[in-house]
Amino acid sequence: QSALTQPASVSGSPGQSITISCTGTSSDVGGYNHVSWYQQHPGKAPKLMIYGVSDRPSGVSDRFSGSKSGNTASLTISGLQTEDEGDYFCSSFTSGSTVVFGGGTKLTVL
Amino acid sequence: QLLESGGGLVQPGGSLRLSCEASGFAFSDYAMSWVRQIPGKGLEWVSVISDNSDKTYYADFATGRFSISRDNSKNTLYLQMNTLRAEDMAIYYCATNFRYFDQWGQGTLVTVSS
Repeated sequence: QSALTQPASVSGSPGQSITISCTGTSSDVGGYNHVSWYQQHPGKAPKLMIYGVSDRPSGVSDRFSGSKSGNTASLTISGLQTEDEGDYFCSSFTSGSTVVFGGGTKLTVL
Repeated sequence: QLLESGGGLVQPGGSLRLSCEASGFAFSDYAMSWVRQIPGKGLEWVSVISDNSDKTYYADFATGRFSISRDNSKNTLYLQMNTLRAEDMAIYYCATNFRYFDQWGQGTLVTVSS
């Protein structure tokens, strides 16, 4: 199972919006509404930000939103804040009853 | 809360058993997973076990070498890792659920080196 494809890095200024893409295949992202997104700060465990393509866990800011079109899922962060800086990973359930992650995207808030 | 233990230094070809002790939630109601991360690199799903242990799934690299299990009476998840290779060196996290991972432990570092 190949990793999902994410851009290596994205950047934005405080207050702006950014979108991180996550491209897979019809056997993972395109075939199931089981895409999730994780935020990770240095030295910390990942934190679930979005699950089920677009659902937010309790306590996660509504500035974070998720969507999907075909084989590509997207995470949008609006009203960027400095604390949003970190690494973001997408994941998807697959047809092989496994889970595959993206390679990760480093978000820099300028 | 999830608390992993059992990581450490092991020689290539050796074995290690990781543990993950859960508290503060109904452990026996959740599927549980292991996810690993080479420091500074991406996340990689390892394995999952259903809430009552009747189903287990593994990543290709783990099939035949790793074995996931759980003891609901002890609120503990395990990962037995055999025939370890240099490329298995990573931080191993336990996490709740499978299709998404909503709670994570702090991770335990496995180092494979002679």
